[in-house]
Amino acid sequence: QQPVQSPQAVILREGEDAVINCSSSKALYSVHWYRQKHGEAPVFLMILLKGGEQKGHDKISASFNEKKQQSSLYLTASQLSYSGTYFCGTMQTGANNLFFGTGTRLTVIP
Amino acid sequence: NAGVTQTPKFQVLKTGQSMTLQCAQDMNHNSMYWYRQDPGMGLRLIYYSASEGTTDKGEVPNGYNVSRLNKREFSLRLESAAPSQTSVYFCASKEDRSTEAFFGQGTRLTVV
Repeated sequence: QQPVQSPQAVILREGEDAVINCSSSKALYSVHWYRQKHGEAPVFLMILLKGGEQKGHDKISASFNEKKQQSSLYLTASQLSYSGTYFCGTMQTGANNLFFGTGTRLTVIP
Repeated sequence: NAGVTQTPKFQVLKTGQSMTLQCAQDMNHNSMYWYRQDPGMGLRLIYYSASEGTTDKGEVPNGYNVSRLNKREFSLRLESAAPSQTSVYFCASKEDRSTEAFFGQGTRLTVV
């Protein structure tokens, strides 16, 4: 029931853009995005609720296609601070469990 | 403002020993979760509690038990630890289905 994330890893130069994808085989109520730095707890980025809403703050945004049960996280003009592992979490319709994908390791180099 | 507090932060157990990981939140959240994190496996859900008095299995519940002692506390027990349970364990809580989850700082458990 884990959502599927892709790619598994990506290396960017500062200023480049990246897209991380998340998909589920179940009907979703919400999609969560988190970033985790090495040795730390995951930190919340944004949540997208059923309704196809796109959200964003600063240069990080996300979309949720509820018909396809897919979400994408967009990072534009990447900064060194964007480095870390990104996780999508999904909550199914009618359930209270929160499942996470296997993560995407993002490395931004100067 | 503590948020989600996990104890202990580090633990080494011998195979067959038992222990309880503690988790407490001070945000009056309804739902609480236990995850384990292993390299390349992401965060895998062990057990969760949608509300006080209820618990449900996640993806990897075997070898674990949980107790939702009250609204604040959700403990995870290993009855007979095995080396395969060596992992980093995270507790999380959320207010309801429309809000984000807050994570504790994790417990690094090694079973030898």
